[in-house]
Amino acid sequence: DAEITQSPRHKITETGRQVTLACHQTWNHNNMFWYRQDLGHGLRLIHYSYGVQDTNKGEVSDGYSVSRSNTEDLPLTLESAASSQTSVYFCASSGDVNTGELFFGEGSRLTVL
Amino acid sequence: KNEVEQSPQNLTAQEGEFITINCSYSVGISALHWLQQHPGGGIVSLFMLSSGKKKHGRLIATINIQEKHSSLHITASHPRDSAVYICGVDSNYQLIWGAGTKLIIKP
Repeated sequence: DAEITQSPRHKITETGRQVTLACHQTWNHNNMFWYRQDLGHGLRLIHYSYGVQDTNKGEVSDGYSVSRSNTEDLPLTLESAASSQTSVYFCASSGDVNTGELFFGEGSRLTVL
Repeated sequence: KNEVEQSPQNLTAQEGEFITINCSYSVGISALHWLQQHPGGGIVSLFMLSSGKKKHGRLIATINIQEKHSSLHITASHPRDSAVYICGVDSNYQLIWGAGTKLIIKP
């Protein structure tokens, strides 16, 4: 069965360290998204991609970067982790941004000390 | 003002009750999504709709494009329906999400 997986599921790191969260989907979807979810906020878009070599900034992109070298993967990198980036991160994919059903990964809980 | 507003924010009901969660939006959309997030975090897509009504088991989603409003209904609610329900809209190739409605169904 096709799926979307995230790793690691839990990560504790220190301020200033570089962290990469992996997202891998086997749906062959063009569209992939990274969200963060915090108490009191809905899902907030960090970065998104509509295809290989395409990346776009979302509403909370500062301090994050992504790359899309193939269809399956959209890794999220925190260049220098900050305590404000402690959050739960969700990756999602869809076949069509306007009409396609969304599929979410299980989430990655990141704690920055 | 948020572009996607959900009500109520919290809802507690008894098993068997009919549940309605509302979603209002202020932008033009091409589609609307309903998600379910159980305690422990996993997010599942329930519905994607752009007009009319969709039904899946005990869940029904409706949308009124003219009124910019959608409702999610749960019939014969059960404790396993306890979750956060999130509404989101596709607008100009962007997905905008509401803050969610936390539903608790007591046995």
